[in-house]
Amino acid sequence: KAGVTQTPRYLIKTRGQQVTLSCSPISGHRSVSWYQQTPGQGLQFLFEYFSETQRNKGNFPGRFSGRQFSNSRSEMNVSTLELGDSALYLCASSLDGKPNEKLFFGSGTQLSVL
Amino acid sequence: DAKTTQPTSMDCAEGRAANLPCNHSTISGNEYVYWYRQIHSQGPQYIIHGLKNNETNEMASLIITEDRKSSTLILPHATLRDTAVYYCIVRGGGSNYKLTFGKGTLLTVNP
Repeated sequence: KAGVTQTPRYLIKTRGQQVTLSCSPISGHRSVSWYQQTPGQGLQFLFEYFSETQRNKGNFPGRFSGRQFSNSRSEMNVSTLELGDSALYLCASSLDGKPNEKLFFGSGTQLSVL
Repeated sequence: DAKTTQPTSMDCAEGRAANLPCNHSTISGNEYVYWYRQIHSQGPQYIIHGLKNNETNEMASLIITEDRKSSTLILPHATLRDTAVYYCIVRGGGSNYKLTFGKGTLLTVNP
């Protein structure tokens, strides 16, 4: 069974631009969540989608948004990029997002904002 | 989610057992203990999780104390490839949709 796939693996953007990251969950998984990892803040929860609906959201500004499609694939968008948005963005999937379910992570998208 | 406390770093000799401790004294009855690890610039890898009983899988063993206030992850025969940051996470209750990562323990396996 294929794992969680994130594309692209690396991305370089300039301040003010926007970016879209993609995540394909493990087949059959309906919950997709996104995390940001930086050296200073560590791993932080962005949001979680389930059945095409954002179910929960972390403490990030509105520039960070996402969506989920009917096939459970998810995209994350960051608008008006800032230097501080440089980070590793990780996507994770699980069956239904319940507390006793494992989360499987992708390899991430390394975003650099210049 | 309950807060966890882990040592910042640990060393282990290759071939020996690595025992990684975690304190979670405020854990609730319905919260699970999860362990993940992360090798530099890769996504976190699931290792094991448990609620009350000790658990074992092909990667590791998880020992949870009877009062559930602490746990130990055991890698029975550490290899150089086990060098990574190990995260102990308590998950459940009202925020079951997410993992709250702390700073973790950097385990260095030495030859």
